Amino acid sequence: SAVISQKPSRDICQRGTSLTIQCQVDSQVTMMFWYRQQPGQSLTLIATANQGSEATYESGFVIDKFPISRPNLTFSTLTVSNMSPEDSSIYLCSAWRGRETQYFGPGTRLLVL
Amino acid sequence: AQSVTQLDSQVPVFEEAPVELRCNYSSSVSVYLFWYVQYPNQGLQLLLKYLSGSTLVKSINGFEAEFNKSQTSFHLRKPSVHISDTAEYFCAVSDIGGNQFYFGTGTSLTVIP
Repeated sequence: SAVISQKPSRDICQRGTSLTIQCQVDSQVTMMFWYRQQPGQSLTLIATANQGSEATYESGFVIDKFPISRPNLTFSTLTVSNMSPEDSSIYLCSAWRGRETQYFGPGTRLLVL
Repeated sequence: AQSVTQLDSQVPVFEEAPVELRCNYSSSVSVYLFWYVQYPNQGLQLLLKYLSGSTLVKSINGFEAEFNKSQTSFHLRKPSVHISDTAEYFCAVSDIGGNQFYFGTGTSLTVIP
């Protein structure tokens, strides 16, 4: 298995500001992903964090709003930019070891006022 | 792309009663199948997975799921639930050789004392 930590675990932010969420995996993994889980809903994939290159974004998500970095095989960041109340959500980092199983971090609970 | 259907959004069940949470997926190509559990205010945890071999897979806390290829289903069962099983359960599918997971909309299991 893989142990994944995220920082911060929760935050309350003002409209128009930005928040960077960090994701750390305890060992090297092949792929890392960022998901959003809005209240009472399932997971929506935001993007695949690619090591050494630009992230691959899903439909409806853009780099200007959700810039992602992945400087090495164990670490990634997601920034939620120019936040609005609609960005209030749980943001989850996940990682694959091989292509068989996906492990998740504990999530970052974001509230935008 | 796959689609994953969890037919029941909410399942209330009395303590010590059996439960079945249903999951169907769309494609007949070779797949990996997963159930994840999300306890209140926590991230997703892998409950069990089917990769190959025996179609019946079990978790350490008494849950089991059976892969049925002809019915494209992966229903989750437990013969006797506990209060501590109250959580959100997500079914997920990935195509073998693909690089994306597809999640269902989740089933909220509430165990009633």
